[in-house]
Amino acid sequence: QVQLVQSGSELKKPGASVKVSCKASGYIFSTSAMNWVRQAPGQGLEWMGRINTNTGKPTYAQGFTGRCVFSLDTSVSTSYLQISSLKAEDTAVYYCAREGLKEFDYWGQGTLVTVSS
Amino acid sequence: SYELTQPLSVSVALGQTARIACGGNNIGGKNVHWYQQRPGQAPVLVIYRDTNRPSGIPERFSGSNSGNTATLTISRAQAGDEADYYCQVWDSGTAVFGGGTKLTVL
Repeated sequence: QVQLVQSGSELKKPGASVKVSCKASGYIFSTSAMNWVRQAPGQGLEWMGRINTNTGKPTYAQGFTGRCVFSLDTSVSTSYLQISSLKAEDTAVYYCAREGLKEFDYWGQGTLVTVSS
Repeated sequence: SYELTQPLSVSVALGQTARIACGGNNIGGKNVHWYQQRPGQAPVLVIYRDTNRPSGIPERFSGSNSGNTATLTISRAQAGDEADYYCQVWDSGTAVFGGGTKLTVL
């Protein structure tokens, strides 16, 4: 069965960086793009972008260029989200989501990133 | 940029039918996907491409899409259906989510 397992919660200081992982299993990793979705406390879902797991090409949504980087390690079927120069406003739950035929058919359990001094 | 509009909240009596609307300019020309998010949990896909149910989603969940409105319908509402519901489309290579609707089952 398809599973996406994300890394655990993180507490970071402003200005630091964080790297969230999303390990996929139960399907051929390179056949489905991986998307990243942010959910700030008490807010809705916000698409951050996607990475083509076959070519490694990332696509970033407006507002997530510059400090966010998507990457892959295909040898372990894992996608990564790195955010640099963290601000308090980056405090959120970050989800990875597999892209089926354009729908997000499987989601990771979410990773809470808290940015606080 | 493309926008999707959802009501903040919808209430439904236990066992009755709930309808959650998702408005967008000519949304009928796009494929709409719906996600359920229970408190403290990750979203779950409940309807894809307007009307299709993934394996494991009850037949009580259905969808429609025409003109400027897509609708998620939940028949015979149960207490376990209380959750936030989000519609989503793709527009010019960008995924767009509606603001979400909180469904309360009375």
